[in-house]
Amino acid sequence: AQSVTQLDSHVSVSEGTPVLLRCNYSSSYSPSLFWYVQHPNKGLQLLLKYTSAATLVKGINGFEAEFKKSETSFHLTKPSAHMSDAAEYFCVVSQNTNAGKSTFGDGTTLTVKP
Amino acid sequence: GAVVSQHPSWVICKSGTSVKIECRSLDFQATTMFWYRQFPKQSLMLMATSNEGSKATYEQGVEKDKFLINHASLTLSTLTVTSAHPEDSSFYICSAGRGDTGELFFGEGSRLTVL
Repeated sequence: AQSVTQLDSHVSVSEGTPVLLRCNYSSSYSPSLFWYVQHPNKGLQLLLKYTSAATLVKGINGFEAEFKKSETSFHLTKPSAHMSDAAEYFCVVSQNTNAGKSTFGDGTTLTVKP
Repeated sequence: GAVVSQHPSWVICKSGTSVKIECRSLDFQATTMFWYRQFPKQSLMLMATSNEGSKATYEQGVEKDKFLINHASLTLSTLTVTSAHPEDSSFYICSAGRGDTGELFFGEGSRLTVL
């Protein structure tokens, strides 16, 4: 069994300030973890993924996330927010080798103020 | 990276008509594709798993006669919303998995509006 909890439904930051989107997971096996971003009326785009290699994962557009097994967390961060980062973000946990066993978080809406 | 194409992006239809949405994997073969429905401000809800050459597997509560899925080739899955009604209006997204990491590649989504 697996589950994922995104701890904040909405996050608002000012442009140029750090971004932190929190994700906790539970899994009965070694999971793969993903962060996806969705802009309005668009599909989901992969930001980064953890698949049992390095625990600090760097993704596109300056985002990174750290897999912390002891805390069962996979928080997404970015040092400096840009207006174009405003979007919906989804944390996803998946069973390795089986994309069909993916569980989606409820999403976090990121607002970036000028 | 892998590309999944979904068409049409927007469709408006009259109540009672059927609408077909296509999902294509452009640069890889996808034996399995997934169809989701997304309501405003909500996460993706898995509707069904589309299996190439066999019947789709539907999630509990999804009407298989309402949402017909066909996966006739390794690169194409279609979702047909039959006898559409206004309550079927939604954003539908497909995805396909590739490799052994559990990563999903998503289509751009299709906004269905039933009048």
